[in-house]
Amino acid sequence: DTGVSQDPRHKITKRGQNVTFRCDPISEHNRLYWYRQTLGQGPEFLTYFQNEAQLEKSRLLSDRFSAERPKGSFSTLEIQRTEQGDSAMYLCASSLGGGTGGDGYTFGSGTRLTVV
Amino acid sequence: QKEVEQNSGPLSVPEGAIASLNCTYSDRGSQSFFWYRQYSGKSPELIMFIYSNGDKEDGRFTAQLNKASQYVSLLIRDSQPSDSATYLCASNTGFQKLVFGTGTRLLVSP
Repeated sequence: DTGVSQDPRHKITKRGQNVTFRCDPISEHNRLYWYRQTLGQGPEFLTYFQNEAQLEKSRLLSDRFSAERPKGSFSTLEIQRTEQGDSAMYLCASSLGGGTGGDGYTFGSGTRLTVV
Repeated sequence: QKEVEQNSGPLSVPEGAIASLNCTYSDRGSQSFFWYRQYSGKSPELIMFIYSNGDKEDGRFTAQLNKASQYVSLLIRDSQPSDSATYLCASNTGFQKLVFGTGTRLLVSP
């Protein structure tokens, strides 16, 4: 296990289609996060899981977005009825969690979504 | 007001100089702070974290934190062209969610 894996790396989809992204965290990390990043901006928080429980969702996460982490391992992020404004880099990260100490996050390579 | 603010730059420094990157935060409950480096088209990579007032050094990098002024900085000594990237500052209020600034683009010229 060499890091956080995301699949696919790139996705081009037509407006109105559904897309699903997958994230495999570092195996010993119990926390998993989804962020979205657009050009010239920092990553924006979408949601996070501790084990299989989804503990927080951003108001950015409209009802077209859903995330799951069955069995507390990999996670999926689905976007239904995609819109052009959904075009962004979707980043997954994982961490050991616990306390406010400095383990930070380890990010995956991201999935770049383009909605045409 | 954004929770974490950074000057977008670009900050241009010559090779070998010290690059100073700054960040302010608005939430006094923020407990720890992180600096990430992001190359164009790549994902962020953790460089350093700091949670105590003062300086923390790691190789060519020094992070500085002043909680009274709500100010965090990153110094890069002996800057190299390979340091050219966007540097993201992030804060953690203790709920394990990092809030990122928009990043400062650093350009190191040979």
